[in-house]
This record gives sequence, C-alpha cells and structure tokens, in this order.
Amino acid sequence: DVKVTQSSRYLVKRTGEKVFLECVQDMDHENMFWYRQDPGLGLRLIYFSYDVKMKEKGDIPEGYSVSREKKERFSLILESASTNQTSMYLCASSYIGVNYGYTFGSGTRLTVV
Amino acid sequence: SQQGEEDPQALSIQEGENATMNCSYKTSINNLQWYRQNSGRGLVHLILIRSNEREKHSGRLRVTLDTSKKSSSLLITASRAADTASYFCAYSGGGADGLTFGKGTHLIIQP
Repeated sequence: DVKVTQSSRYLVKRTGEKVFLECVQDMDHENMFWYRQDPGLGLRLIYFSYDVKMKEKGDIPEGYSVSREKKERFSLILESASTNQTSMYLCASSYIGVNYGYTFGSGTRLTVV
Repeated sequence: SQQGEEDPQALSIQEGENATMNCSYKTSINNLQWYRQNSGRGLVHLILIRSNEREKHSGRLRVTLDTSKKSSSLLITASRAADTASYFCAYSGGGADGLTFGKGTHLIIQP
C-alpha cells in the first residue's frame, strides 16, 4: 500500500520554537508539497519541490522554509513558531506532470501556545 | 493563485439519495480533480478530469466539466453513510505551481 507518512499526528509547541514537520513517501514521486488547512480558508500551498534540493514558494511561504535532501523526504520548518501558525499541515506527493493526482499524508495538527 | 469555490458549503441528504456538488474556478486549467477528506484526516484523490473531457465516471461518481463556464460538478449516486466527508475540487492551472483547492463541501449522509 503506497504511503505518504507524516511524522507526527499531533504536535504542541511553544511560541518562538523551531519546529520540524517531516514527510516521507514511498512511491518514488518527484513532486512533494506542503499545504496548511484552516477553517474557512481551505488548503493553501506553502512550499513545493520538483526534485531533490529544489524548492519553490507557494502562496503563503512567509515564516516557513523547507528541505529536500532525499527524494523521499520533504521537511517543513517553522523558523520561529507563532500562534498564527496553529493549523493542520498536510504533505502530499505526486508524479511529475500535470495530469496526476496527489497522495496525501494523514496530516499533522500543530498547536502553537 | 485563485481558489476555487464549492457550492453548497454544506449538504445533508438521506442515505440512498444522490448528492451533487459544484465547483467554480477562475483560471484556465489543465485538469480538475476531486478529493474526499474524512474528519481530521488527509485528502484522498477520487477522480481527475482533463480540460478536453466533458464527463467522467468512476463507480458511483460522475464528474462533469464545462470549461466555458469554468465549472465542474461531482455527483455521488446512491449515497451511503460512509460517504459522509468533505469534498474538495482542485485544479492545475498549467503553471509550475501545485494544485489550487477550493474550500470544500461538507456532505452529511443521514442513515
């Protein structure tokens, strides 16, 4: 069964902490994505990557960075967590090309206190 | 990117009835996709329709696409309690960026 695995289901962090959200896929997908999901706002793209060591900003990259050192792993980093980054974070992956669906992880619900 | 819009925001029907959800978008697209999300979980890909297709079926799902109206609809026939979920449309605009998602329709199937 193909999978996108997010390292934590629930996470509570303090304001100002550096937070790492990890995502691993086992499908040899080239593309990987990080979205955040908030009530009333839907899913918004934070960052994405088309290849190892490559990254592209999405719609809301401020306050975030990413790392893709290996094809199967895409990490989202909150440099200094703030309460407005409390959200559900969803990782997804897909084959390269526009006509492929995404496979999503189960999500990480992050609370910043 | 410009988010799509689903309509209605919420829908409650009896088990066995058909459920129809609509999606409107604002840009030209390569394809439009529909996803399901069960409460508090990740999204599951349901179906993809390309911009040169008008209708597509998958099991109890039927998707239509009208590029002239920039709209799509998802029909779930003979609904079941297990269909209770949020449904999102998403589209690829042809650029190098990721999918743009709508805000979703929350579907409740009453037993």
